[in-house]
Amino acid sequence: AQKITQTQPGMFVQEKEAVTLDCTYDTSDPSYGLFWYKQPSSGEMIFLIYQGSYDQQNATEGRYSLNFQKARKSANLVISASQLGDSAMYFCAMSPLPGAGSYQLTFGKGTKLSVIP
Amino acid sequence: DVKVTQSSRYLVKRTGEKVFLECVQDMDHENMFWYRQDPGLGLRLIYFSYDVKMKEKGDIPEGYSVSREKKERFSLILESASTNQTSMYLCASKRTGSYEQYFGPGTRLTVT
Repeated sequence: AQKITQTQPGMFVQEKEAVTLDCTYDTSDPSYGLFWYKQPSSGEMIFLIYQGSYDQQNATEGRYSLNFQKARKSANLVISASQLGDSAMYFCAMSPLPGAGSYQLTFGKGTKLSVIP
Repeated sequence: DVKVTQSSRYLVKRTGEKVFLECVQDMDHENMFWYRQDPGLGLRLIYFSYDVKMKEKGDIPEGYSVSREKKERFSLILESASTNQTSMYLCASKRTGSYEQYFGPGTRLTVT
């Protein structure tokens, strides 16, 4: 079984500052993928970034980076230079075998990020 | 661009009604998923399908069924809607061999 824990129900960050959203996970699978999704108030889930468990380097996508610490089982999302449009719910998720078959995502409960002007 | 569409953004139904939620994807993805999202609980998987006419139960299948007669369409069925099924329902699709799931805009269902 897989489990994702997001301990921050809500976060505030000043515009243009960096913010880290925490995510820890638990799994017995030898290989897995870790994901972050953004959900604005409009409701759609937007894929942000992916990290494979065997990837040596931390994933980056523009202003998003994933701080992957395998020994600590953590996969924190770092957003640099926050913008007002970053205000949204953020979900951490994992799957047992990235890209293989139809394996479903297991989601955390989410963190609501509010960017203050 | 991958597009996943859902038949309704908002739906209001009465207790006991049979409810159909439709999801269509246009990228020939093999895999499709239905999630429900509730405040404080995140997204939970109801059912998924890895091929036409194939389905697998997710974490919370009770009270739901699904149908996949064509590759592009995955339907979620509430046989007899109950108030505890009031929720946001999200559909997603994924190509076998890739890692990204693409989500639809969601259907906010209210059962009164």
